[in-house]
Amino acid sequence: GIQVEQSPPDLILQEGANSTLRCNFSDSVNNLQWFHQNPWGQLINLFYIPSGTKQNGRLSATTVATERYSLLYISSSQTTDSGVYFCAVGSHTGGFKTIFGAGTRLFVKA
Amino acid sequence: GAVVSQHPSWVICKSGTSVKIECRSLDFQATTMFWYRQFPKQSLMLMATSNEGSKATYEQGVEKDKFLINHASLTLSTLTVTSAHPEDSSFYICSASELLRGGPDTQYFGPGTRLTVL
Repeated sequence: GIQVEQSPPDLILQEGANSTLRCNFSDSVNNLQWFHQNPWGQLINLFYIPSGTKQNGRLSATTVATERYSLLYISSSQTTDSGVYFCAVGSHTGGFKTIFGAGTRLFVKA
Repeated sequence: GAVVSQHPSWVICKSGTSVKIECRSLDFQATTMFWYRQFPKQSLMLMATSNEGSKATYEQGVEKDKFLINHASLTLSTLTVTSAHPEDSSFYICSASELLRGGPDTQYFGPGTRLTVL
């Protein structure tokens, strides 16, 4: 099956710093989503981005499907950005299935 | 829009009892629902996929008799953990999609249910 690798696994930032999270996947996919899981466990949709670039406030994402990777950029980080960021890819081959990466655990210090 | 609720948000039960978790799409018709399990500090593991009106498709290694899934309507799916044991303690998360109706295959997640089996 499709393998999803996220890096770095852990990241500590000073408030105000910028960061880039990476997601590599091993095969062609039909969709890709980035999520933020808050300390209470809720998964929050950040981007639905099977290809191209999107921006939403301080966050932006780019997916290069032909090279099988996606990047999530966080600018001017805030303490509320802390949590786990997951990349999840979807494939319609053999039935619709979503595979999650292991996540990047982010802690933003005040 | 695209809100998914789960109930209960947490449950504690005795070993051997059954627990039912509900997942509802509040403002859209979820033709496809997914159930995930998450252990502490780990990623989400897909347990099963259910399409409205048909039997759920379970992932390899997930016992279908242990984790009963019913997707009876376009807004409700239930997961029943039968004869729960301490090793079933986990965080269970559902998600919903409008995939089969030609909608985007974006998944929207519920807030999760924390199950503790004593």
